[in-house]
Amino acid sequence: DGGITQSPKYLFRKEGQNVTLSCEQNLNHDAMYWYRQDPGQGLRLIYYSQIVNDFQKGDIAEGYSVSREKKESFPLTVTSAQKNPTAFYLCASSGRQGMEKLFFGSGTQLSVL
Amino acid sequence: GQQVMQIPQYQHVQEGEDFTTYCNSSTTLSNIQWYKQRPGGHPVFLIQLVKSGEVKKQKRLTFQFGEAKKNSSLHITATQTTDVGTYFCAGDTGGFKTIFGAGTRLFVKA
Repeated sequence: DGGITQSPKYLFRKEGQNVTLSCEQNLNHDAMYWYRQDPGQGLRLIYYSQIVNDFQKGDIAEGYSVSREKKESFPLTVTSAQKNPTAFYLCASSGRQGMEKLFFGSGTQLSVL
Repeated sequence: GQQVMQIPQYQHVQEGEDFTTYCNSSTTLSNIQWYKQRPGGHPVFLIQLVKSGEVKKQKRLTFQFGEAKKNSSLHITATQTTDVGTYFCAGDTGGFKTIFGAGTRLFVKA
């Protein structure tokens, strides 16, 4: 089945630790996105990538980093510089035209120990 | 920067009542999309509106895009318990940066 796979489903971070969230898609989509969702709130854009080896900052990129070495993969690293990382992280993808609908993964819940 | 405002934040209805959520953008949108997120789940695409004044229907759901392409609404007729969840609007100005509203969480009492 085609889709987006996020792992792990739950992740715990210790003080000062970097953690990486995985996002893989087999939809042959060019564009991929990372959103952060806090309880009872909307989705805020962290980073997005329109094509391999290229990505842009979203509205809340500070404390996060990404890479896009393969079309299928768009991992997100939450660095120790992100002081309030507890949130639900959603990865999404869409076709190249940019105005196409987003397909979301099932998300990763990140908590701080 | 571009902002998409959505109201109300919460709505409690009795099953069978109607429900409407409204979305307003600070800038003209090239398109608007609507998503539904069930409790504990991830957003799922419902529909996309592109044309000024466009109206689309999906069974009991009616979606509208304003004439100025700055506002949109989702109306559900005769809500059911299966409609429970959070409804998000999302818009962009023609690029890849889709901006989401804060969402309207719908509670339906049987």
